[in-house]
Amino acid sequence: GQQLNQSPQSMFIQEGEDVSMNCTSSSIFNTWLWYKQDPGEGPVLLIALYKAGELTSNGRLTAQFGITRKDSFLNISASIPSDVGIYFCAGQKEFTGNQFYFGTGTSLTVIP
Amino acid sequence: DAGVIQSPRHEVTEMGQEVTLRCKPISGHNSLFWYRQTMMRGLELLIYFNNNVPIDDSGMPEDRFSAKMPNASFSTLKIQPSEPRDSAVYFCASSFGTGVYEQYFGPGTRLTVT
Repeated sequence: GQQLNQSPQSMFIQEGEDVSMNCTSSSIFNTWLWYKQDPGEGPVLLIALYKAGELTSNGRLTAQFGITRKDSFLNISASIPSDVGIYFCAGQKEFTGNQFYFGTGTSLTVIP
Repeated sequence: DAGVIQSPRHEVTEMGQEVTLRCKPISGHNSLFWYRQTMMRGLELLIYFNNNVPIDDSGMPEDRFSAKMPNASFSTLKIQPSEPRDSAVYFCASSFGTGVYEQYFGPGTRLTVT
């Protein structure tokens, strides 16, 4: 199935640094979701975006729905060790019902 | 509030055996999804149901895989016969599905076929 291009594939950062990651597609999407997955667990929903240009925050996390509707961005400010995990984007195309396409994931390591 | 419940959490079986994975979606959600996650292929949608009806099963690998949703609170994914290449983590997710499409995932079932 289709997968979204997510970058970077992995990041190693110092505690306290800000993090940016993005997700791109050749298709237009109506909805973007961002998830975090810890080892041995299922993905946990962080932020949902429903409108082009929308900027939504959840604590230190901020996500944006790109104006072109073909991309989305996730920023984490002042990273802490518990931010470690794999972050996935997921996009829903028009007229596909509830089906989402998932990105390849960004693995984040925070060095204390 | 209970989230999506999956069982078992871990399953180890021998090639050729039948495997049944179970899922209980969040109460009130009317869409249910089965995903498979591997290092090589990431998260793949296998099948999804809306109001207990299978809508898209194009992701089901082959006839060895089947899924059912007999009622709004229960679904199964069956593999018969299982093969080593079926080893993966299988996730179930559910969503409300009308206007708001946020999917909530269960903890997954780690399947190992030897």
